[in-house]
Amino acid sequence: GNSVTQMEGPVTLSEEAFLTINCTYTATGYPSLFWYVQYPGEGLQLLLKATKADDKGSNKGFEATYRKETTSFHLEKGSVQVSDSAVYFCALRSHSSASKIIFGSGTRLSIRP
Amino acid sequence: DGGITQSPKYLFRKEGQNVTLSCEQNLNHDAMYWYRQDPGQGLRLIYYSQIVNDFQKGDIAEGYSVSREKKESFPLTVTSAQKNPTAFYLCASSIGGERNNQPQHFGDGTRLSIL
Repeated sequence: GNSVTQMEGPVTLSEEAFLTINCTYTATGYPSLFWYVQYPGEGLQLLLKATKADDKGSNKGFEATYRKETTSFHLEKGSVQVSDSAVYFCALRSHSSASKIIFGSGTRLSIRP
Repeated sequence: DGGITQSPKYLFRKEGQNVTLSCEQNLNHDAMYWYRQDPGQGLRLIYYSQIVNDFQKGDIAEGYSVSREKKESFPLTVTSAQKNPTAFYLCASSIGGERNNQPQHFGDGTRLSIL
């Protein structure tokens, strides 16, 4: 079945450090891939998405590239800020899962000033 | 502004009591979902509905019930059969059907605690 595996947390970085959060997936066909962010006490917000192979999603300085050959969608940011501290979820949606989205377990990111 | 509204933000339940969490959306989305999130954990799907008057069980439906009488509303009832209901509950909606490149949009959640 479809699944998403993402990097275990928590991840702690200093401000202005480079960020990578790994995400790999298993799915039939060609799923759409998403990164969501959850700030404390809030719901999930869509951060970026990619709908086909080699697409790059980007938003607020974050980027992720849909790599079909490695079934990956790693999240990157060149210079993190304290305000980026949150939990990040990788997710996929495919035809075989009807309208459901499959979420990874989340990665907690903490940024030190 | 279009969005998803969950209420209340905090809810307390006594032993043996049923409680209902509200979820309303004005995005004209066909599909709606309920998730449960435990501290430090990911999301687990409770129920989902792809169209009015139809819904399906998710991965952890036991002890919960839903209805979908209107397109914009998808209330979740946590019954007394749910023995460990303390959690953060998230409602979401999306364009349904074959347009599988569309994301889900989330409400701000309801935190349920046992008294």
